[in-house]
Amino acid sequence: AQSVTQPDIHITVSEGASLELRCNYSYGATPYLFWYVQSPGQGLQLLLKYFSGDTLVQGIKGFEAEFKRSQSSFNLRKPSVHWSDAAEYFCAVAPYSGGGADGLTFGKGTHLIIQP
Amino acid sequence: NAGVTQTPKFRVLKTGQSMTLLCAQDMNHEYMYWYRQDPGMGLRLIHYSVGEGTTAKGEVPDGYNVSRLKKQNFLLGLESAAPSQTSVYFCASSYTTQPLHFGNGTRLTVT
Repeated sequence: AQSVTQPDIHITVSEGASLELRCNYSYGATPYLFWYVQSPGQGLQLLLKYFSGDTLVQGIKGFEAEFKRSQSSFNLRKPSVHWSDAAEYFCAVAPYSGGGADGLTFGKGTHLIIQP
Repeated sequence: NAGVTQTPKFRVLKTGQSMTLLCAQDMNHEYMYWYRQDPGMGLRLIHYSVGEGTTAKGEVPDGYNVSRLKKQNFLLGLESAAPSQTSVYFCASSYTTQPLHFGNGTRLTVT
């Protein structure tokens, strides 16, 4: 079975600084990979996804992520964070085969705090 | 276009009571899911459905039942609520594979 590890439970970044959130997955084949963001009291919103092809994917709100097969990683980055980026971020994986019908496996999340 | 709508938004139950959470989607999605979210645990899949009339167990199905009588609706039932079921419940749907579209959640407290 696949699994997702987000090593950082909390991260604090100053506004305007760069950001990198780490995600490592465990899966025997090429997975589908996702990053979601959750603002307080809200559902999850898709930031970006990787299915195949270019290993650097661009998402909404200025986020990008890079798939590195050799490291089993899919880290999320943003060059300059804004106070509105404060939220919970979830990395998720789905099997490449089977159409992903049995849902996503989520990491436990990283809580991002933005300092003024 | 409302997307995924969950009702109710909040609910407080006493131990042993029953309730049903309703999820409705207007995107004609085949796949629907129920997750629960607990602090430090991320989201865990309770049950899911790959089409009308079908359901399957996820990672944490015990104590829950589901039904998908209509394509647009996915119901999550608690027959006898327990304090361990205090959580935030999210419904999601998707067309064929990913990505998932999430509702805004139902916060359930069992006392």
